[in-house]
Amino acid sequence: DTAVSQTPKYLVTQMGNDKSIKCEQNLGHDTMYWYKQDSKKFLKIMFSYNNKELIINETVPNRFSPKSPDKAHLNLHINSLELGDSAVYFCASSQEGGADSPLHFGNGTRLTVT
Amino acid sequence: RKEVEQDPGPFNVPEGATVAFNCTYSNSASQSFFWYRQDCRKEPKLLMSVYSSGNEDGRFTAQLNRASQYISLLIRDSKLSDSATYLCVVNPRGTSYGKLTFGQGTILTVHP
Repeated sequence: DTAVSQTPKYLVTQMGNDKSIKCEQNLGHDTMYWYKQDSKKFLKIMFSYNNKELIINETVPNRFSPKSPDKAHLNLHINSLELGDSAVYFCASSQEGGADSPLHFGNGTRLTVT
Repeated sequence: RKEVEQDPGPFNVPEGATVAFNCTYSNSASQSFFWYRQDCRKEPKLLMSVYSSGNEDGRFTAQLNRASQYISLLIRDSKLSDSATYLCVVNPRGTSYGKLTFGQGTILTVHP
């Protein structure tokens, strides 16, 4: 009964390929997020969706496109992968989008672009 | 100045020791503060929220100093299982939903 689950856990692919990472939460939360953790371990927000609506879109290349078919799912599609995209991508959700809502993270997808 | 800054460590302490981490934030309007814990190759998990009056959860005590714009985490009687990276997290009021800003983390290793 995993709360926030993302697949795949590991993803190894070549430059130029297109790949997707899926995320689902069964907590009934309204807000979902994608975070990127680089090799220096900084966690940075990429996108945030509230009830299927995009509310945060940080300075992320437009090769990255989030898709939220419903409020329990937020998938991340990446086109034309580059070496610099190698990182760990975490999906997360929170009860509300406000300031006091802690995040519940998925277990991460380790993306390696060769 | 970084939005959230932590001493990356590593802190190496023996079991039973008391260890404290500090974290400074640059946005004086920040209203919500958290400590998260991240084990090696795992996802971050909420350790505790930080309240204005300070709060304690077992061996863990969190403090907030608004005047100096820093928060702290104190761990008493360290256990081997406390070894992890501790992430200071700030959510500035007025920003978009859940735009939490993470520090780079402080690495703690507790040895026998």
